[in-house]
Amino acid sequence: DTEVTQTPKHLVMGMTNKKSLKCEQHMGHRAMYWYKQKAKKPPELMFVYSYEKLSINESVPSRFSPECPNSSLLNLHLHALQPEDSALYLCASSQGGQIYNEQFFGPGTRLTVL
Amino acid sequence: EDQVTQSPEALRLQEGESSSLNCSYTVSGLRGLFWYRQDPGKGPEFLFTLYSAGEEKEKERLKATLTKKESFLHITAPKPEDSATYLCAVQAVGTNAGKSTFGDGTTLTVKP
Repeated sequence: DTEVTQTPKHLVMGMTNKKSLKCEQHMGHRAMYWYKQKAKKPPELMFVYSYEKLSINESVPSRFSPECPNSSLLNLHLHALQPEDSALYLCASSQGGQIYNEQFFGPGTRLTVL
Repeated sequence: EDQVTQSPEALRLQEGESSSLNCSYTVSGLRGLFWYRQDPGKGPEFLFTLYSAGEEKEKERLKATLTKKESFLHITAPKPEDSATYLCAVQAVGTNAGKSTFGDGTTLTVKP
């Protein structure tokens, strides 16, 4: 299995809602990532988990809260978002460790904040 | 600060018309350079990893090459299904493991 899956595919939420994005991989990868991508821009790194521990937080606002329950799962909890947070949210995984490896991306969740 | 610049921003080709995309990078020390393909509304798809100058990788109509300052993605006899945005990314020595610097991408359109 060489796939990263993400749910839901689309999400519309109000600024007072609480929602979660989910990501799963079964490639045995030990690093997982959350990216945010705006239209016609490259992916922008948000968080990196390595061996289920948060290793990089790119100064992301606290209304985004990541969670890595185990080596295969990654969640992004959303609360009190702003309309400017509307974007494509991408999850990725890589072999991790000290090896600088290519990343495998999921299809993304298209988030709209009203 | 690591920098990645891709050119051209957009490229329109006729089917069968070969060309190259450029990725220029400035890093303190290169760990790896990655090429991805991204279709509209989808996640990037991994294509190639290059680690050292002189290295080349091929896959179907695509060939990636690397020098000390830049990488090229050569597309030979492209087909309409090659239309996509091609992203280049680098990881550098001293950077937190897993943090890639992406270029803005080249959007390729291949007309039949």
